[in-house]
Amino acid sequence: QQPVQSPQAVILREGEDAVINCSSSKALYSVHWYRQKHGEAPVFLMILLKGGEQKGHEKISASFNEKKQQSSLYLTASQLSYSGTYFCGVDMEYGNKLVFGAGTILRVKS
Amino acid sequence: DVKVTQSSRYLVKRTGEKVFLECVQDMDHENMFWYRQDPGLGLRLIYFSYDVKMKEKGDIPEGYSVSREKKERFSLILESASTNQTSMYLCASSPFDLAGGPGEQYFGPGTRLTVT
Repeated sequence: QQPVQSPQAVILREGEDAVINCSSSKALYSVHWYRQKHGEAPVFLMILLKGGEQKGHEKISASFNEKKQQSSLYLTASQLSYSGTYFCGVDMEYGNKLVFGAGTILRVKS
Repeated sequence: DVKVTQSSRYLVKRTGEKVFLECVQDMDHENMFWYRQDPGLGLRLIYFSYDVKMKEKGDIPEGYSVSREKKERFSLILESASTNQTSMYLCASSPFDLAGGPGEQYFGPGTRLTVT
């Protein structure tokens, strides 16, 4: 039941764009995105709710297609600070817990 | 700032030992979580608690138990540590979300446990 993230890893040059996808086999109530830098704790990026509401950082954008049970995270004009592992977490039971994907490793090079 | 602290950054224990991992949050959050993180597997939920003395199993509870006697503290217990429990353990807390779903989670720095 773990959501599937793609790609597993991506390498960018500064200024390039990337899209990270998260796909579930079950209906979703919300999708959450986190970023973890090497050796640090995961940090919240945003929540996308069923019905279109979003909560999170202004500089990061994402989409949530409820019918396809998919979410995508859009990283535009990437900076070195974007490097890290990105996790999506999905709420499949409208409760307090999330199921996280395996993560997408993003590396931005100068 | 929300702060979630964990009792140890690194821990080495022997097979069969009872292990306690402690987590404390200072923001009066209702929900607390224990995850383990392994390469290629992401974050897997072991147990979570939505109130004092309340607990629910996550996706991989076998071999673990938890205790939440006070709102700010959530303990993970390995009754008899085994080598396959060698991992990074992350604690998190989140406020109750009025919309009813999971709120933003704040993670602690993690405890890297090695069982030999």
